[in-house]
Amino acid sequence: GAGVSQSPSNKVTEKGKDVELRCDPISGHTALYWYRQRLGQGLEFLIYFQGNSAPDKSGLPSDRFSAERTGESVSTLTIQRTQQEDSAVYLCASSPGSTQYFGPGTRLLVL
Amino acid sequence: AQSVSQHNHHVILSEAASLELGCNYSYGGTVNLFWYVQYPGQHLQLLLKYFSGDPLVKGIKGFEAEFIKSKFSFNLRKPSVQWSDTAEYFCAVETSGTYKYIFGTGTRLKVLA
Repeated sequence: GAGVSQSPSNKVTEKGKDVELRCDPISGHTALYWYRQRLGQGLEFLIYFQGNSAPDKSGLPSDRFSAERTGESVSTLTIQRTQQEDSAVYLCASSPGSTQYFGPGTRLLVL
Repeated sequence: AQSVSQHNHHVILSEAASLELGCNYSYGGTVNLFWYVQYPGQHLQLLLKYFSGDPLVKGIKGFEAEFIKSKFSFNLRKPSVQWSDTAEYFCAVETSGTYKYIFGTGTRLKVLA
C-alpha cells in the first residue's frame, strides 16, 4: 500500500524566501508529525496533529514556522523568511496509534 | 528533561561479526520503545518495538532488542551482521500516554564485506 509521501524531495532556496513543504499521510492515520533532522543530529520534534484537535506546536523553533492540516489529510509546513540554519531534512510521519511511519523527507538547503 | 542516548555514533564491523548498539533513556515511568533504521537513500523504517510483555523483542532481518527496565536500556543486537545492514539506526522512546517520540542521535553502522 501507499506510504507517507512528501514533496518536494529537495528544495534549494535563498535566504529570506518562504518555503512550503507538503506531506501526504497514510490514509486512515489520524496522527501526523513533523520533525527536523539537522546534519549529524537526531530527529527534532516540530509539531503534532491528532484528528481535529488543536495541534501541539511546542516544538516549532520560532514564529517563522507554521503548519496546517485539514482533517486527517494533507499537511503543509511553511517556513517564512528562511535562514541558513533552517537547512535540514524535514520529515513527516503519520500514525494510527503509537507506531509512526515516516516519509522520505524533504531536504531543504537555504543559501 | 527526558533524553535518549546512543553512545556509539559510528560502528564498523566485518560481515558475520556480532552487533550490539546501546540505547539508554532517562524517564522513570512507563515507556514504549522503538528502533528505526535508515538504509542509504531510503526513509526511516521500523525495525522493532516494545510496548509490554516479553522484554526480548524480535524484529525484522534477524534483529532483536532487550528492554532492561532497571538499566533504562533497550539495546539492539544481531548475532551476525551482513553487508546489507549498513545503515543508520535510531532509538526512540515514547512515554506511555503521550504521543511524542524522543529520538537518539543515531548510530551509523558500516559493515565491511
